[in-house]
Amino acid sequence: DVKVTQSSRYLVKRTGEKVFLECVQDMDHENMFWYRQDPGLGLRLIYFSYDVKMKEKGDIPEGYSVSREKKERFSLILESASTNQTSMYLCASSLVGPNEKLFFGSGTQLSVL
Amino acid sequence: QKEVEQDPGPLSVPEGAIVSLNCTYSNSAFQYFMWYRQYSRKGPELLMYTYSSGNKEDGRFTAQVDKSSKYISLFIRDSQPSDSATYLCAMTKTSYDKVIFGPGTSLSVIP
Repeated sequence: DVKVTQSSRYLVKRTGEKVFLECVQDMDHENMFWYRQDPGLGLRLIYFSYDVKMKEKGDIPEGYSVSREKKERFSLILESASTNQTSMYLCASSLVGPNEKLFFGSGTQLSVL
Repeated sequence: QKEVEQDPGPLSVPEGAIVSLNCTYSNSAFQYFMWYRQYSRKGPELLMYTYSSGNKEDGRFTAQVDKSSKYISLFIRDSQPSDSATYLCAMTKTSYDKVIFGPGTSLSVIP
């Protein structure tokens, strides 16, 4: 069974902290994505990666960075967390080619106080 | 104007009802259309996808695309309490483009 695993279900951090959100997929997918989900705004793409060591900015990359050292692992980094980064963060992966079938993790609910 | 619009609901229906969920969009270049279902405290999962205009049926679910009106629909027949979830429409121009999501409609099916 395909699986995308996010390391934490809930996280509470302080303003200014550096935050790491980890995501691992076991499907040998080339593509990996980070979204944030906010009420009324839907899913917004933060960063994506089509290959190891490769990363591309999505629609809202400001305040975030990513790392993809291995094919199965894609990390989202908040360099200095702020309260407006309180959100649900969703990692997804897909096969090379069709982007329409995204496999999502269960999400990390991040609260920045 | 948002690229993809969706009535957020919440929508509450009795068990057995026919449910109609809808999205409108502004970019006529969209070719691939998807519906994702998201249960509470879970990530979205792909429910249906269609290419260009027309209908697609899968069990109790039917996806409909009307590109001339820039309007897509998801119909659920004989709705069940297990269909209670948030339904997200999504679309993309090509299979290599990023996917644009609607904000989702929350559905409750009451036994």
